[in-house]
Amino acid sequence: DSGVTQTPKHLITATGQRVTLRCSPRSGDLSVYWYQQSLDQGLQFLIQYYNGEERAKGNILERFSAQQFPDLHSELNLSSLELGDSALYFCASSGPQGTTNEKLFFGSGTQLSVL
Amino acid sequence: GQNIDQPTEMTATEGAIVQINCTYQTSGFNGLFWYQQHAGEAPTFLSYNVLDGLEEKGRFSSFLSRSKGYSYLLLKELQMKDSASYLCAVRDRNGGNKLVFGAGTILRVKS
Repeated sequence: DSGVTQTPKHLITATGQRVTLRCSPRSGDLSVYWYQQSLDQGLQFLIQYYNGEERAKGNILERFSAQQFPDLHSELNLSSLELGDSALYFCASSGPQGTTNEKLFFGSGTQLSVL
Repeated sequence: GQNIDQPTEMTATEGAIVQINCTYQTSGFNGLFWYQQHAGEAPTFLSYNVLDGLEEKGRFSSFLSRSKGYSYLLLKELQMKDSASYLCAVRDRNGGNKLVFGAGTILRVKS
C-alpha cells in the first residue's frame, strides 16, 4: 500500500458526461501529480500541484481541469467525455520537501470507461 | 520537451541477467527514475540516478551517463515475478520539474 488513495476504482459513463476523480496523497506529501495511461500509450503526464498551487502542466486537454484543496487532496475533472478518454488515471504524490530526488508514490488508479 | 526511448519488449530466462536500456533527450535534466509496473497495477519505485554512475539495490542496479543521455536498469537472478513493464522517467527542470515517463519495456521471464 503506497498510502495514496484514489476513488473511485472504476467508473463507467457515457460520452458527453462529466466525472470527477479524487486523490488523497500520502500523509505529509505536498505534491500531487495526475497521469493518464491508455492501452496504446505509456504514462502521460497531465498536471502537478504543490501545496495547492499548479506547478507543472503536461498535455492536459482543455476539457480536463484539476485542483488541489487546502487539505491537500486533489480532484481531476473530466468533461464532455469522449470514447478516447477511456484510460487508467493515476494520481501520485511526493514530498514534503518538493525536492527533485523525491520519488513518486502512485495510487491504485481509477479505470475510466466511456461508452 | 523530452524524448525517452526504451525497447518495447524483452524476454529473458529465469535466473539470468537482463539489461533494459533507456535513452533520453532533454535540455533540463534533473534526475532519472526507474519504476516497475505489473499489468493493471500502480507503478512502484525501483531506483533514482542524478549523478553519473551505478546505483545498486539488491538484485536491481541502475546506471546513468548524463553526457550520453543514457541509462540502464540491470536485473540479476531473474525471477518469474519480475515479469512486468519497466518504466524509465526523466525529471525536467524546464517546465516545473515534471516527471515524464517513457512508454515502458515489457519484460517476460520464462522458465
